[in-house]
Amino acid sequence: EDQVTQSPEALRLQEGESSSLNCSYTVSGLRGLFWYRQDPGKGPEFLFTLYSAGEEKEKERLKATLTKKESFLHITAPKPEDSATYLCAVQAGETSGSRLTFGEGTQLTVNP
Amino acid sequence: KAGVTQTPRYLIKTRGQQVTLSCSPISGHRSVSWYQQTPGQGLQFLFEYFSETQRNKGNFPGRFSGRQFSNSRSEMNVSTLELGDSALYLCASSGPGANTGELFFGEGSRLTVL
Repeated sequence: EDQVTQSPEALRLQEGESSSLNCSYTVSGLRGLFWYRQDPGKGPEFLFTLYSAGEEKEKERLKATLTKKESFLHITAPKPEDSATYLCAVQAGETSGSRLTFGEGTQLTVNP
Repeated sequence: KAGVTQTPRYLIKTRGQQVTLSCSPISGHRSVSWYQQTPGQGLQFLFEYFSETQRNKGNFPGRFSGRQFSNSRSEMNVSTLELGDSALYLCASSGPGANTGELFFGEGSRLTVL
């Protein structure tokens, strides 16, 4: 059974204080690892797709990296508007389609 | 370009009733999937439809069903509601040429079962 574990559950940062979120996964036949951002009362918003170990993707203050067992979401000099829940998900198996296994998320709060 | 639209946004039902939720995907998107989100279980996959055919199904009881129409709009139905069905139900669509895991989610339908 595919498993995704995210840590920490919650993270509180000061504006400008860089940090990383962790996503550990156990899957058979990884096809893709995804990061999403979810604001309160909204659906998740797609951020990145990573396919293979060593791959990195960047967008503004966010950088996602992937190893064979985990992924990190690095947040550089965060701003209050980066406050959200960040979700990691895996897609496994040849016929997985849009069937993703999500972690519980990391709730990030950035204080001004 | 309009996003994924879900209706209704909020609804309250009692145990034993049934409910139908509706989803209109982004124009041009033919794949529609449904997820249940609860504080204890997080986001869990319900099912996926593509060109009116169910392509994948999650581990939910048969009380949960769905369908997709020729215009790609989708509905999901939950019969004989239980208290544990209270959740945010999210619909997502994915577009041609993109990884099917790159999902565009709607804002969800929040179901409360009393």
